[in-house]
Amino acid sequence: AQSVTQLDSQVPVFEEAPVELRCNYSSSVSVYLFWYVQYPNQGLQLLLKYLSGSTLVKGINGFEAEFNKSQTSFHLRKPSVHISDTAEYFCAVDGGTSYGKLTFGQGTILTVHP
Amino acid sequence: DAGITQSPRYKITETGRQVTLMCHQTWSHSYMFWYRQDLGHGLRLIYYSAAADITDKGEVPDGYVVSRSKTENFPLTLESATRSQTSVYFCASSDLAVSYEQYFGPGTRLTVT
Repeated sequence: AQSVTQLDSQVPVFEEAPVELRCNYSSSVSVYLFWYVQYPNQGLQLLLKYLSGSTLVKGINGFEAEFNKSQTSFHLRKPSVHISDTAEYFCAVDGGTSYGKLTFGQGTILTVHP
Repeated sequence: DAGITQSPRYKITETGRQVTLMCHQTWSHSYMFWYRQDLGHGLRLIYYSAAADITDKGEVPDGYVVSRSKTENFPLTLESATRSQTSVYFCASSDLAVSYEQYFGPGTRLTVT
């Protein structure tokens, strides 16, 4: 079985400040890792994914994440946030054997203040 | 329009009624998924389908039924709705062999009174 823990339910930050949203996972097999973003009253949109290769993954809108196998973490970062980044962010894991079945974390609400 | 659509977007129904949520995608993706989103739980997988006529249970399948007679459609039926099924339901599709990305619909907000 696999699980995902997002360590912060809410993260407030000021515009142009850096941000890190934390995600830890547990799985007994090699994993694929994802970050999705959900804007109010919308579906989820993929920010970035780690399938293999370089542990530093770059995504859309200036976000990046680093896969750390020893720490079982996949933290999301952005060096300078904008008001438009206000949204809920979900970390998700596919444990390979689940073949496309994602397990999501509980979500982190990022609020960017002017 | 290309993409993935869900209908209805909002639905209020009474306890014990049957209700069907529709999902339609135009990409001919092989895989389709149904999730429910509840506060504090993130998204949880209800059912998924690897192809037409192939479906399997996810994490929370009890009280739900799915079918997939055509690749582009994946309806979700609540046979006898309960208040605990009040939630936001998301459909998603994916061509796993290509990108491993799931594309999500806009969601259906279901309230069971």
